[in-house]
Amino acid sequence: NAGVTQTPKFQVLKTGQSMTLQCAQDMNHNSMYWYRQDPGMGLRLIYYSASEGTTDKGEVPNGYNVSRLNKREFSLRLESAAPSQTSVYFCASSDESSGANVLTFGAGSRLTVL
Amino acid sequence: GESVGLHLPTLSVQEGDNSIINCAYSNSASDYFIWYKQESGKGPQFIIDIRSNMDKRQGQRVTVLLNKTVKHLSLQIAATQPGDSAVYFCAENGRGGYQKVTFGIGTKLQVIP
Repeated sequence: NAGVTQTPKFQVLKTGQSMTLQCAQDMNHNSMYWYRQDPGMGLRLIYYSASEGTTDKGEVPNGYNVSRLNKREFSLRLESAAPSQTSVYFCASSDESSGANVLTFGAGSRLTVL
Repeated sequence: GESVGLHLPTLSVQEGDNSIINCAYSNSASDYFIWYKQESGKGPQFIIDIRSNMDKRQGQRVTVLLNKTVKHLSLQIAATQPGDSAVYFCAENGRGGYQKVTFGIGTKLQVIP
């Protein structure tokens, strides 16, 4: 059982380039999330998807787009990368059937924008 | 404004001693709290959770205490081991909908052998 899988693990971009971070989960979870983690700021929610076909903005959505391709996959796209988007990105999923929102995270994708 | 934060950014503990990591929250409407552990190079991992109708919850070597009067949350780790070295986050769930889990900035726990 792989859990949440993110690709790539590392990426270096030049300012203005575009790229997509891929995420897949095999736990049949309804909800999926993208967070970014920066030193001293904890984890901040970029976008989330409560179910297949729906997406909503989180705390820091500017400069990003997402696609919930199906129940398993949730991708994050940077259309025109900026140095401020240098960060570690985490995908997560959750199952709220118990009434509790416990997140299962991927291993992270470290992105550097030059 | 509303926030979830930690009192101590770094905590050094001797192996075998007990560790206490603290967290303050400001939203009295929060009804669910979670502790996550993040080891270097990995994503955060669920440790233990507690609902607002509880004061204490115990797991394996970990205990979470909730004091709603002063809006304070703590994670106690018994007999701290080198494998406990990590960054610990408290997270608040409930503000803005259940999907929006808000994390504190984290406390780094260093275990001294």
